[in-house]
Amino acid sequence: IAGITQAPTSQILAAGRRMTLRCTQDMRHNAMYWYRQDLGLGLRLIHYSNTAGTTGKGEVPDGYSVSRANTDDFPLTLASAVPSQTSVYFCASSVRDGTEAFFGQGTRLTVV
Amino acid sequence: EDQVTQSPEALRLQEGESSSLNCSYTVSGLRGLFWYRQDPGKGPEFLFTLYSAGEEKEKERLKATLTKKESFLHITAPKPEDSATYLCAVQAGSNYQLIWGAGTKLIIKP
Repeated sequence: IAGITQAPTSQILAAGRRMTLRCTQDMRHNAMYWYRQDLGLGLRLIHYSNTAGTTGKGEVPDGYSVSRANTDDFPLTLASAVPSQTSVYFCASSVRDGTEAFFGQGTRLTVV
Repeated sequence: EDQVTQSPEALRLQEGESSSLNCSYTVSGLRGLFWYRQDPGKGPEFLFTLYSAGEEKEKERLKATLTKKESFLHITAPKPEDSATYLCAVQAGSNYQLIWGAGTKLIIKP
């Protein structure tokens, strides 16, 4: 049982480079989310998708973009990375928005 | 502004020493309060959802309770494997998105 798979698990990225974090779920959940987690702060929502074909902005969307071409995949793209985007990124999914969420293992990203 | 505050930031207990973690919230129109557990290097794992004041839920050594202003996660006779960071999140108003607390890091010493 895979659940949610994120890739890569960690990455060191030069500032200004473009990067896509991958997220795939096999639970056929409608809703998917991208969060970032920084020390001392709660999880902050970057972008979300309530169903395939739709996306929305969360609390901290600037510098990030997402797409939801199908139910299973929800990639997160950093168009031009900056050091303040150094964080641990979690992808999550739920049956529908507002229900319990299942999280991936996270991607630790360092922008230098 | 909607806000969720967890206390303490960290808690060290001896094995078998019961205690409680607090999650206080100031939101308009609570729709649900969620508790998650997070182990180092892993994603959060769902524990409980509470929907209305007075509701309680239990799982093994954990019991979550809810009032109109806060939630408690009670840990009874904890074991070292209960060591983790416990996260609280609130869903409020017409927005389905969750507002997260910063977490309480629980350490249980054998």
